[in-house]
Amino acid sequence: EDQVTQSPEALRLQEGESSSLNCSYTVSGLRGLFWYRQDPGKGPEFLFTLYSAGEEKEKERLKATLTKKESFLHITAPKPEDSATYLCAVHSGGGADGLTFGKGTHLIIQP
Amino acid sequence: DAGVIQSPRHEVTEMGQEVTLRCKPISGHNSLFWYRQTMMRGLELLIYFNNNVPIDDSGMPEDRFSAKMPNASFSTLKIQPSEPRDSAVYFCASSLFGGGGNTIYFGEGSWLTVV
Repeated sequence: EDQVTQSPEALRLQEGESSSLNCSYTVSGLRGLFWYRQDPGKGPEFLFTLYSAGEEKEKERLKATLTKKESFLHITAPKPEDSATYLCAVHSGGGADGLTFGKGTHLIIQP
Repeated sequence: DAGVIQSPRHEVTEMGQEVTLRCKPISGHNSLFWYRQTMMRGLELLIYFNNNVPIDDSGMPEDRFSAKMPNASFSTLKIQPSEPRDSAVYFCASSLFGGGGNTIYFGEGSWLTVV
């Protein structure tokens, strides 16, 4: 059974204070690792897909990296508008065709 | 460009009543997913369709839950009878080619409260 564990559950940073969110996964044949952002009262919004270890993708202040066991979402010099819950999900070859999600990291950026 | 459209956005109903949630996927997408989100369990896949055919409904919690996709542009998730523990946010999502590493796009969700 696919498993995704995200840490920390919650993180409070000052504006400009860089940090990283962790996503550890166990899957039978990774077909893709996804990062989503979810704002209160909204649906998850797609950020990145990573397919193989060593791959990196960037978007504004966010950079996602992937190893064989985990993924990191690095946030550089965050702004208050980066406050959200960040969700990690995997799609595996052995499971259902949908995504298996972690429970997310609730990120708060204080001005 | 219209995304996944869900209705109703909010529903409050009494225990025992029937609830029907509706979804219009992104045009051209051939896979549709129903997820449920709660604080305790996070996002859970309930069922998904490829080309309007249910492929995997192993996530549907009980026989009280049923889902249909009569055509490529419409799906329903029905709960009958509803119970307080069904209170959650229900998300519909769609993608091309059944996921498979392709991006799954989510609607804004239907917030269900059963009292």
